[in-house]
Amino acid sequence: DADVTQTPRNRITKTGKRIMLECSQTKGHDRMYWYRQDPGLGLRLIYYSFDVKDINKGEISDGYSVSRQAQAKFSLSLESAIPNQTALYFCATSDVGTAYQETQYFGPGTRLLVL
Amino acid sequence: AQKVTQAQTEISVVEKEDVTLDCVYETRDTTYYLFWYKQPPSGELVFLIRRNSFDEQNEISGRYSWNFQKSTSSFNFTITASQVVDSAVYFCALRRSGGGADGLTFGKGTHLIIQP
Repeated sequence: DADVTQTPRNRITKTGKRIMLECSQTKGHDRMYWYRQDPGLGLRLIYYSFDVKDINKGEISDGYSVSRQAQAKFSLSLESAIPNQTALYFCATSDVGTAYQETQYFGPGTRLLVL
Repeated sequence: AQKVTQAQTEISVVEKEDVTLDCVYETRDTTYYLFWYKQPPSGELVFLIRRNSFDEQNEISGRYSWNFQKSTSSFNFTITASQVVDSAVYFCALRRSGGGADGLTFGKGTHLIIQP
């Protein structure tokens, strides 16, 4: 089984709808992240969480919210989806501590289309 | 602010050729980490390598090698004897060190096409 899973893998929604993307991990990592990828722009950080009680905004948090329900679960919500939120969304995890634990491991991604 | 530049948007070579993907970064931190990720056509992100700023040794892993030079703020990636399976988008990324550091800063990626 994959260490980092994302559901759904693909989603089509309409403008104005509220949707939630979910991420679960079995790696036992404390840190979790949400990124979005747009063609030609690389990945950009939306939100990150260092533990259940710690949530931080990233570079492009407007229009998004997150919830860290448990160490293993980190959800991303679009309160009122708009077409320019059409993108590929990635969840990632990393551990705390030594330099060797700085690596982020990514889930398979969720393709979101907002009509 | 941090920045990662991958000036090569797309590279196309014939199989078995060597190819180098360039990565130039900007940071004010003295301690940081550099990464390369591979994104094959299936879309997932595959971790390839992490390099710490205090370790300038070059790294070789099979057909892959990485050249880290702090003097030029570069972390270039070379594939020797390329294969069709190497076709993918490759991302270079930078992360600050320290407990309060946030996520990765990515370059825009280089689309590598290996033609048979």
